[in-house]
Amino acid sequence: DIQMTQSPSTLSASVGDRVTITCRASQSISSWLAWYQQKPGKAPKLLIYKASSLESGVPSRFSGSGSGTEFTLTISSLQPDDFATYYCQQYNSYRGFGQGTKVEIK
Amino acid sequence: QVQLQESGPGLVKPSGTLSLTCAVSGGSISSSNWWSWVRQPPGKGLEWIGEIYHSGSTNYNPSLKSRVTISVDKSKNQFSLKLSSVTAADTAVYYCARVLVAIDAFDIWGQGTMVTVSS
Repeated sequence: DIQMTQSPSTLSASVGDRVTITCRASQSISSWLAWYQQKPGKAPKLLIYKASSLESGVPSRFSGSGSGTEFTLTISSLQPDDFATYYCQQYNSYRGFGQGTKVEIK
Repeated sequence: QVQLQESGPGLVKPSGTLSLTCAVSGGSISSSNWWSWVRQPPGKGLEWIGEIYHSGSTNYNPSLKSRVTISVDKSKNQFSLKLSSVTAADTAVYYCARVLVAIDAFDIWGQGTMVTVSS
């Protein structure tokens, strides 16, 4: 099984900050990685697919990069609506999620 | 636009079978996409359970495979999850989701339904 490890688990930041979340795969997954945002009591929302493609309707302050085993999600200027938990998700042999990164108000 | 809606009992007894259905509206379940189940225990992360294609082909999480059955009913435009021999560890919010084949990601999600395993 491919293990996905996100870091950090929690991130404290202020509005306007540049935020970066990292996701590492235990083996290469090429570019088969997606990022989701989840708010309390809500279903996850797709932000990025194929490592760096922005889902339609998602603000351009969100971006993704990486390939192989190391990936990043960057929020260029954190907005109040961005405080949430973020998950990476791989598809190689099976689908699997990282453990999540909670972005909280500093 | 495609929408998904989960339904099923909110309480299941230990050792019993959890059964949920996901109704697909605004589109056909026979479209070229996978239809998935994902769960989230209270306060924890997301866990992929498995998926089905309209042809009936399935993929399951190896950690749950022995207890999971996912089926499709094209006449009702819905798919279903059965999880057997449940324990308290299976208490979670269960989501159904569409995997858009073109991007291999979950692009549409249901609102989720809470299932508690308790006597």
